[in-house]
Amino acid sequence: AQSVTQLDSHVSVSEGTPVLLRCNYSSSYSPSLFWYVQHPNKGLQLLLKYTSAATLVKGINGFEAEFKKSETSFHLTKPSAHMSDAAEYFCVVSPQKITGGTSYGKLTFGQGTILTVHP
Amino acid sequence: NAGVMQNPRHLVRRRGQEARLRCSPMKGHSHVYWYRQLPEEGLKFMVYLQKENIIDESGMPKERFSAEFPKEGPSILRIQQVVRGDSAAYFCASSPPLQETQYFGPGTRLLVL
Repeated sequence: AQSVTQLDSHVSVSEGTPVLLRCNYSSSYSPSLFWYVQHPNKGLQLLLKYTSAATLVKGINGFEAEFKKSETSFHLTKPSAHMSDAAEYFCVVSPQKITGGTSYGKLTFGQGTILTVHP
Repeated sequence: NAGVMQNPRHLVRRRGQEARLRCSPMKGHSHVYWYRQLPEEGLKFMVYLQKENIIDESGMPKERFSAEFPKEGPSILRIQQVVRGDSAAYFCASSPPLQETQYFGPGTRLLVL
């Protein structure tokens, strides 16, 4: 079984300062990991994903995340926050591929981190 | 290529009524997933379907909830005899075969009065 822990329920930064959203995972296999963003009353948008290639993953809107197996972490960062980054962010782990199947099944979500950006 | 479509976007029901939520996956996607987001919580998996098959329904409540993905038409999540605790945002996601990335729709926000 797999699980995801987002270490901060709320993060507040000033515009132009760095963003760090922390995520730790637990898995009995080498997982695929994702970050999704949800703006208020909107659906979820994929920011980036890690699938066992490069450990530093670049996503959209200047976000990136680093997979660290030794720390079981997948923290999301951005060098300079923008007001439009204010949203809720979810760290997500994908299950192992279903044996004999053609897909991977359910995603497991962290509890979410609400990012507030102050002018 | 249109994204995942869900309708209605907002749905109000009185206790005891039925709610039907529809999801049209992206073109070429034959896998559909339903998730529920309760207030102040993350998304929780409900059910995973392929065309005419339920693959995993381990997250579905045992009573009143059902889902289908027919050969033709959208996937339907049906909630019978709704209660106030069913009030939530219900998200649908889709993926093509052999790909693990799921693409989400805008959600249906259900309010039970």
